[in-house]
Amino acid sequence: GENVEQHPSTLSVQEGDSAVIKCTYSDSASNYFPWYKQELGKRPQLIIDIRSNVGEKKDQRIAVTLNKTAKHFSLHITETQPEDSAVYFCAATPRNTGGFKTIFGAGTRLFVKA
Amino acid sequence: NAGVTQTPKFRVLKTGQSMTLLCAQDMNHEYMYWYRQDPGMGLRLIHYSVGEGTTAKGEVPDGYNVSRLKKQNFLLGLESAAPSQTSVYFCASSLDRVRETQYFGPGTRLLVL
Repeated sequence: GENVEQHPSTLSVQEGDSAVIKCTYSDSASNYFPWYKQELGKRPQLIIDIRSNVGEKKDQRIAVTLNKTAKHFSLHITETQPEDSAVYFCAATPRNTGGFKTIFGAGTRLFVKA
Repeated sequence: NAGVTQTPKFRVLKTGQSMTLLCAQDMNHEYMYWYRQDPGMGLRLIHYSVGEGTTAKGEVPDGYNVSRLKKQNFLLGLESAAPSQTSVYFCASSLDRVRETQYFGPGTRLLVL
């Protein structure tokens, strides 16, 4: 069945450094790739998303890249700050199927050390 | 505009007891979902609904039932709770099949003893 693999499961960086989280997906029909951030005890919240007709998208310190051929997509956080510490989930959704086909990765716990 | 809300926030059940979790959204979203979140396993879809009066099974539906009698509400029922159903349950909603961004509720922590 469809699968999304996410690496690493835990990532520790020094404040100010960059953090990169990588995901691979199995369903080639996927065309929508959201990233969610979940702080401790809180709900997941969308931080950025990308569609398959775009290779890269940036929003301030956050960027996402997509390689459709390799079925890889990555989240890049630059100039990390302690408030970036959270669990990050990638996800993949096939075209026009709505969220019920969204498959989530297992999550990456990011620690940003001050 | 409260977004997505869930009740209760926390519940302890004994094995075999039943309960209903309520999800409500005030964004006029068509799609609603129930997920469970377990350590190291991300979010797994239990059931979903693509509109009032419709429901469908997700990835891990066994032991759960759902109903969507009103567009704004999505109920998740456990008929006979088991310790394996100890988890954090999240409800989410999205506007339609094209605008897929999901908005999550605050979660319900369930402990089954």
